[in-house]
Amino acid sequence: DAGVIQSPRHEVTEMGQEVTLRCKPISGHNSLFWYRQTMMRGLELLIYFNNNVPIDDSGMPEDRFSAKMPNASFSTLKIQPSEPRDSAVYFCASSSSDKISGNTIYFGEGSWLTVV
Amino acid sequence: RKEVEQDPGPFNVPEGATVAFNCTYSNSASQSFFWYRQDCRKEPKLLMSVYSSGNEDGRFTAQLNRASQYISLLIRDSKLSDSATYLCVVNRAGNTPLVFGKGTRLSVIA
Repeated sequence: DAGVIQSPRHEVTEMGQEVTLRCKPISGHNSLFWYRQTMMRGLELLIYFNNNVPIDDSGMPEDRFSAKMPNASFSTLKIQPSEPRDSAVYFCASSSSDKISGNTIYFGEGSWLTVV
Repeated sequence: RKEVEQDPGPFNVPEGATVAFNCTYSNSASQSFFWYRQDCRKEPKLLMSVYSSGNEDGRFTAQLNRASQYISLLIRDSKLSDSATYLCVVNRAGNTPLVFGKGTRLSVIA
């Protein structure tokens, strides 16, 4: 079975450019999470959706970041304009359970973003 | 103060050694607890859940002390393949996303 699929796997972009990260959750999962991981801050939740509706976006760093989930099988995280401090690994994860738990959540392989 | 705190390490241990990682959490309403493993340049994956009574999975033993808000992971007879970062993970009360510690890096040396 396909897991959580993220694209691109790696992206190098110049400061000021728009970056769009994509995620396809596991089929049937109704919760989707965007996390960001850096050495300094570890793994931080940016935003999560339940049944395609954003529930908590308090982790989104600033207005340059936006996320959408137009349907149950697709989500995007957009950074516009990008800055070097946005360089990180961005993980998408999904969960099948209405009770989110550590044993029901699955991560994609991550999108490695470098902004120069 | 971070909600979940761990010693970042690295812990460098010889094969066969026993190693223990600790983690503290600040939200006393936290309901469930986990250890995740993350290999270099890979995504985090569930290693094991942590139960109040303590639980074991092969060479791995996890313990929870709710009064002290403390979680531990013990690895016995370390293998080279245990080299990874171990993330302490907490589920707050209610239906909310997981909160991750920054991880403890383990290197098992031949």
